[in-house]
This record gives sequence, structure tokens and C-alpha cells, in this order.
Amino acid sequence: DAGVIQSPRHEVTEMGQEVTLRCKPISGHDYLFWYRQTMMRGLELLIYFNNNVPIDDSGMPEDRFSAKMPNASFSTLKIQPSEPRDSAVYFCASSPGEGREAEAFFGQGTRLTVV
Amino acid sequence: RKEVEQDPGPFNVPEGATVAFNCTYSNSASQSFFWYRQDCRKEPKLLMSVYSSGNEDGRFTAQLNRASQYISLLIRDSKLSDSATYLCVVRLEDTGRRALTFGSGTRLQVQP
Repeated sequence: DAGVIQSPRHEVTEMGQEVTLRCKPISGHDYLFWYRQTMMRGLELLIYFNNNVPIDDSGMPEDRFSAKMPNASFSTLKIQPSEPRDSAVYFCASSPGEGREAEAFFGQGTRLTVV
Repeated sequence: RKEVEQDPGPFNVPEGATVAFNCTYSNSASQSFFWYRQDCRKEPKLLMSVYSSGNEDGRFTAQLNRASQYISLLIRDSKLSDSATYLCVVRLEDTGRRALTFGSGTRLQVQP
């Protein structure tokens, strides 16, 4: 298995532009998570899905952020309009549904810079 | 108060040393516990799960104290390749809260 695949790996955009981050989870995993990592705040959960349904989006910073999971093999995180404070590494992770000890597997992340 | 608190370090130790990291969590309903490792500019990866009875994986030993809400990781005979950030992680298992909550990480630098 190729693991969790994220694209793009790097994104540089101007303030005000729309940014779309993409994620392909590991096949068969029921859970998909979006995290954001910064030096100041560490790893923060933004939103997660179970069987394509959003379960907890309380970490989404504001209405500029939205996430979708139209099917079991694809998810997007969109920021519109982007701001410099959105600059961070965005990780997608997936996890199998069963088992208390089910591990979360992370993608390589998207490094976003908003200038 | 943060849900998971760790000493950020850095811990600078010589090769062969034994080093211990500690972590506390605030939610007593937390049911699963892990240590993840994150190398510079890479994604976090599971190092080991932490069980109530304590568990060992080679040079790594993890302990959990539910009464004190405290987790530890001990690394024996440190190697240069152990240099990384170690993330303490907890998970609630109740309905609607299955995501992992991460500490900010403790940075370890093993020196020759």
C-alpha cells in the first residue's frame, strides 16, 4: 500500500487566494483526520470523518476553512480566502475503524505558505 | 490548560545514555495512549502504544499511571538515530471523540 497520499507537497499562494489541499487515505480505513502543525501551537486537529461523514469539526478555525469527503478514497481541505496566519504544515491521517489501539497513519503533509 | 502537556526540551544526551520523557494529560476519560516520533520536516509515526501494565519494545519502555494521569517513555542506550521529537498522544473512545490529541512534543538530540 502506498500509504496516505497528500498533494501538493508544497504550496505558496498570495493572501486572498483559494487553496485546496487533497488527501487519499489508505484503502479500507474508516477514519480520516486533518491536522495542522505550527511551531507555536503544535499539532491541532481540524476535522475528522468516519465513513465519509464529518464527525467533529470543532477544530476548524473559522468559516474560511471547509473540508469534504465525497467518497472513501478522497478528501479535500479548502481555505478561502487564505491569510498569512494560515501558513503551516497540514497533515492528513487515516485509521482503521476497529480496535482501541488502531494506529493513525499520516501523509507526508502539505507545507502551505501564504504571502 | 493543554489537554496533553510535555516538556519541550531539547534534551541533549550523549550516545549510550538513558533518557526519560514525561507527559501528563488532563482528561481522565482518555482511554488509549501512544508515543509518536516525528523527524525533522517529516510526518509523525507511531513509536509504540502504552498499556496500563507498562510495555517494552527493545530499548524503549513506556509506562502509564492512570491515577496520576501520567505517561512516560524511557530510552536506553541512546543512538544518534533516536534524535527526533517525541509526541505524547491520547485518545478518548467515547462517541464522537475518537481523534488523537497530541502533546507539543519533546525534542531529543543524541550527540556523538
